[in-house]
Amino acid sequence: TQLLEQSPQFLSIQEGENLTVYCNSSSVFSSLQWYRQEPGEGPVLLVTVVTGGEVKKLKRLTFQFGDARKDSSLHITAAQPGDTGLYLCAAGSNDYKLSFGAGTTVTVRA
Amino acid sequence: GAGVSQSPSNKVTEKGKDVELRCDPISGHTALYWYRQSLGQGLEFLIYFQGNSAPDKSGLPSDRFSAERTGGSVSTLTIQRTQQEDSAVYLCASSITSVGAYEQYFGPGTRLTVT
Repeated sequence: TQLLEQSPQFLSIQEGENLTVYCNSSSVFSSLQWYRQEPGEGPVLLVTVVTGGEVKKLKRLTFQFGDARKDSSLHITAAQPGDTGLYLCAAGSNDYKLSFGAGTTVTVRA
Repeated sequence: GAGVSQSPSNKVTEKGKDVELRCDPISGHTALYWYRQSLGQGLEFLIYFQGNSAPDKSGLPSDRFSAERTGGSVSTLTIQRTQQEDSAVYLCASSITSVGAYEQYFGPGTRLTVT
């Protein structure tokens, strides 16, 4: 099982501002996923990255996988209240298990 | 199509009682996972089913926890003699493949409160 550290734990910003959350480990991942979870709901997959250095964009969200496949970041441009939620990163190894970070709680104030 | 469903959505039980939590995965998904999420924490892996293979129970926290999956579809997580520390949200996820743990789809969870 890989240990994932997410930072910051909490983030509160004003609508229109940018934000970045980080996911780090000392281990190499075969894949990394980002999920968003809203209160009372299960996590919803946002993106999967598998290649070192990979960058994926999903509208205002940009996901980056580190060259060494040990870290990842999620950047949100011009955040909106609808972006509020718990952002979780999850790492896959060569088996079927995902190891989840503790999450970053993002609050976007209108 | 229908997503992963879980029932009940909320369960309040007294310490010492047994509870059963149900998960209906997405049709055609061969892999099924149970996780536990405590307040402010990430997801803790509990158990994994893949097809007709023996389940991976390595994440179950004690022998009070058990799970089964009937006919390769519906799964039930049973907690016997519940304790207050069992209070958490129990999440089920399914996946079309177990390779690389790709693309897990989660249900809304069951919030368990043990009083």
